[in-house]
Amino acid sequence: EADIYQTPRYLVIGTGKKITLECSQTMGHDKMYWYQQDPGMELHLIHYSYGVNSTEKGDLSSESTVSRIRTEHFPLTLESARPSHTSQYLCASSDLLGQGDNEQFFGPGTRLTVL
Amino acid sequence: AQKVTQAQTEISVVEKEDVTLDCVYETRDTTYYLFWYKQPPSGELVFLIRRNSFDEQNEISGRYSWNFQKSTSSFNFTITASQVVDSAVYFCALSEAGGSEKLVFGKGTKLTVNP
Repeated sequence: EADIYQTPRYLVIGTGKKITLECSQTMGHDKMYWYQQDPGMELHLIHYSYGVNSTEKGDLSSESTVSRIRTEHFPLTLESARPSHTSQYLCASSDLLGQGDNEQFFGPGTRLTVL
Repeated sequence: AQKVTQAQTEISVVEKEDVTLDCVYETRDTTYYLFWYKQPPSGELVFLIRRNSFDEQNEISGRYSWNFQKSTSSFNFTITASQVVDSAVYFCALSEAGGSEKLVFGKGTKLTVNP
């Protein structure tokens, strides 16, 4: 069973607020990822990290930012939330070793609604 | 560019029926990896299987089986004797080798198993 946690699970917030979605894993994985998933739609990678102090933008442009100060922690921040940010955000992690064959372990997701 | 197509948006079956979920992929890489994930209503993604491009052997795990055919760029998933607990959205995904190990997901197939 994967040990990757996301908080909060659900968040309803007003436009213009700053929010941080938390993601933590206890598996010692070097690689971490953030995906955005609209209802009934596929997942799109918005950020990833190879390790501490490493962050890269994913395939889908996002106004969010991420940081990786500790191996186990990969928070995502929206400085000013808008209704267009309403979505589900899924965090994942995988081992650094390997050549693309390591499965990613996913957290339970944060369902964000911006009013 | 990599692409994963799951042509079946929704499938509905009656319990104990067999059901096959289709997945067709596109990639220019000679080495790549294919995955299937299950997303139950609770929201998290659960890893089911990984297959690399050099291993075309079919795999069976209990009621689940996978048919990988490079000639048709397909990686289909069959559930035998379906159960209500199999109801979920199933995603097929593709990963390139030696890179960021980003996953490219299909749009998913929503499977409903009725009692």
